[in-house]
Amino acid sequence: DAKTTQPTSMDCAEGRAANLPCNHSTISGNEYVYWYRQIHSQGPQYIIHGLKNNETNEMASLIITEDRKSSTLILPHATLRDTAVYYCIVIRNSGNTPLVFGKGTRLSVIA
Amino acid sequence: NAGVTQTPKFQVLKTGQSMTLQCAQDMNHNSMYWYRQDPGMGLRLIYYSASEGTTDKGEVPNGYNVSRLNKREFSLRLESAAPSQTSVYFCASSSPGRVYGYTFGSGTRLTVV
Repeated sequence: DAKTTQPTSMDCAEGRAANLPCNHSTISGNEYVYWYRQIHSQGPQYIIHGLKNNETNEMASLIITEDRKSSTLILPHATLRDTAVYYCIVIRNSGNTPLVFGKGTRLSVIA
Repeated sequence: NAGVTQTPKFQVLKTGQSMTLQCAQDMNHNSMYWYRQDPGMGLRLIYYSASEGTTDKGEVPNGYNVSRLNKREFSLRLESAAPSQTSVYFCASSSPGRVYGYTFGSGTRLTVV
């Protein structure tokens, strides 16, 4: 599975969009990009995932570059409850292979 | 609510004691996983079970054993607990094609003194 690189930490003002980048330059054609977050030592929570196309759900949007070497998770209107560690994970099989976690990005939403 | 249930939520052990962490999922997922998380670190894979009847080692399997009891349940056993096993343990499950991806339990906080 491809390695990912994320900034260690980011700040975002409450109500503004939070844009979390992830580099995965060695991604293969059949590898998915997953985003999870972990709020204060709770179990990681699924946010969104994608293969090639941009994706949007009720929580966030995922923008994947055309060459698939990087992606951005967008939280459109960040709230204090979005303060968490966000993990970008690239994985070959969708659903039956272990997720490999890096250190993620610690997002702090500031009032 | 559907999901992954872990028991117990908290446990304190003395060095050398044994215990089993229980995990059950009710989403009919094929695969199950055990992770540990030390302070300030990401999750590290201990063992996983891709399907009922199979188990495989992860990154940090030493000192642990697992049992995939049936499709729903995947237990993690510490035979002789050591202070280095003080951690938060997370169980997860998954299946191909499920829209919500991998689902995690709320964790077991284990302290070995």
